[in-house]
Amino acid sequence: GAGVSQSPSNKVTEKGKDVELRCDPISGHTALYWYRQSLGQGLEFLIYFQGNSAPDKSGLPSDRFSAERTGGSVSTLTIQRTQQEDSAVYLCASSRGQLQETQYFGPGTRLLVL
Amino acid sequence: AQTVTQSQPEMSVQEAETVTLSCTYDTSENNYYLFWYKQPPSRQMILVIRQEAYKQQNATENRFSVNFQKAAKSFSLKISDSQLGDTAMYFCAFNHGNNDMRFGAGTRLTVKP
Repeated sequence: GAGVSQSPSNKVTEKGKDVELRCDPISGHTALYWYRQSLGQGLEFLIYFQGNSAPDKSGLPSDRFSAERTGGSVSTLTIQRTQQEDSAVYLCASSRGQLQETQYFGPGTRLLVL
Repeated sequence: AQTVTQSQPEMSVQEAETVTLSCTYDTSENNYYLFWYKQPPSRQMILVIRQEAYKQQNATENRFSVNFQKAAKSFSLKISDSQLGDTAMYFCAFNHGNNDMRFGAGTRLTVKP
């Protein structure tokens, strides 16, 4: 079946603008994760959704970052008033819901804030 | 706190040879899960292999195998018969069953023809 998809694949924005990044998880996967990967770095956990439970937002770096997951499927990560340090690749992953399950990743969105 | 350390930022290997990527982790948990992910230039993170800590037998997937040393908290990846398509960043990851999958900083592997 289809894998995790993300859009846009690349986004260039000006400092101070808001951006929305979209993730479509694998059908039937109840868990969804957002990560940030800065140039040459590993992955930094941002937020986790599991079914209808309240999301784990413990990784969000500031209140400019927020995420929603509508209908238990598609998720949107919003960054308000973008800063240059927000430039990174934002990766989404989904899994079948048990925490030890393998996470399947999307191709990511490369965000560049000028 | 759980941490994952990959001490080799870059490695290279000749095609058809064998290479081992190192990973160590720190945890006080007894049950957990370890993963190796591959990220080629296309950016797509792909699961290479996973290991459950309660299993003593080392996981194997075709040319990929791990050397899991629980007492030493070591989880190395061995790639046999390296192929040009193995060129990628390799990330070791740890999850003890919570939301927070911890990743190492990665090892950039180049397979040379």
